[in-house]
Amino acid sequence: AQSVTQLDSQVPVFEEAPVELRCNYSSSVSVYLFWYVQYPNQGLQLLLKYLSGSTLVKGINGFEAEFNKSQTSFHLRKPSVHISDTAEYFCAVTLPGSGNTGKLIFGQGTTLQVKP
Amino acid sequence: DTAVSQTPKYLVTQMGNDKSIKCEQNLGHDTMYWYKQDSKKFLKIMFSYNNKELIINETVPNRFSPKSPDKAHLNLHINSLELGDSAVYFCASSLARGANTEAFFGQGTRLTVV
Repeated sequence: AQSVTQLDSQVPVFEEAPVELRCNYSSSVSVYLFWYVQYPNQGLQLLLKYLSGSTLVKGINGFEAEFNKSQTSFHLRKPSVHISDTAEYFCAVTLPGSGNTGKLIFGQGTTLQVKP
Repeated sequence: DTAVSQTPKYLVTQMGNDKSIKCEQNLGHDTMYWYKQDSKKFLKIMFSYNNKELIINETVPNRFSPKSPDKAHLNLHINSLELGDSAVYFCASSLARGANTEAFFGQGTRLTVV
């Protein structure tokens, strides 16, 4: 079975500082990897995804993530955060291949709190 | 235009009642999902339909019954509501059932059972 672990439940950071949100996954087969963001009282929005190819993936709002197969990690980074980045961030995986359903398996979420 | 819309946004009801949550997508997608987000913000899939066919049915009490009258709609009916059903329910859709297609989420329905 697949699982996703987000190592930090809360990450406080000052505005304009860099940030890294950590995500590790467990799977005996290859997976596709995603980061979603949830702003207060809203649905989830896709930030970026890794399917194949270059291990450094760039997404919206200046975020990027790096897939590391040996460490089974997919950490999210941003070099300089804004107050508006305050939100809940979810790492997720799905299974590629025939018979896949697009079912997302989520981590527990990380609350990013950007302080002025 | 809202891509994935859910109604109602908030739902407060008493234990034992039956309620429905409606979801509609105008993206032309084939696949729709229901996810449950608990009080700790953990998200878990409940159901998925692809072109009106049920393709995912996780371990969910049979008091929960999804219905897809057409591929643009996926409704969730809950019988005999319990306190533990209180959560935020998200509808989502994706172009196809493939795992590399982005899922678009609705704004959620916050269900409170009292």
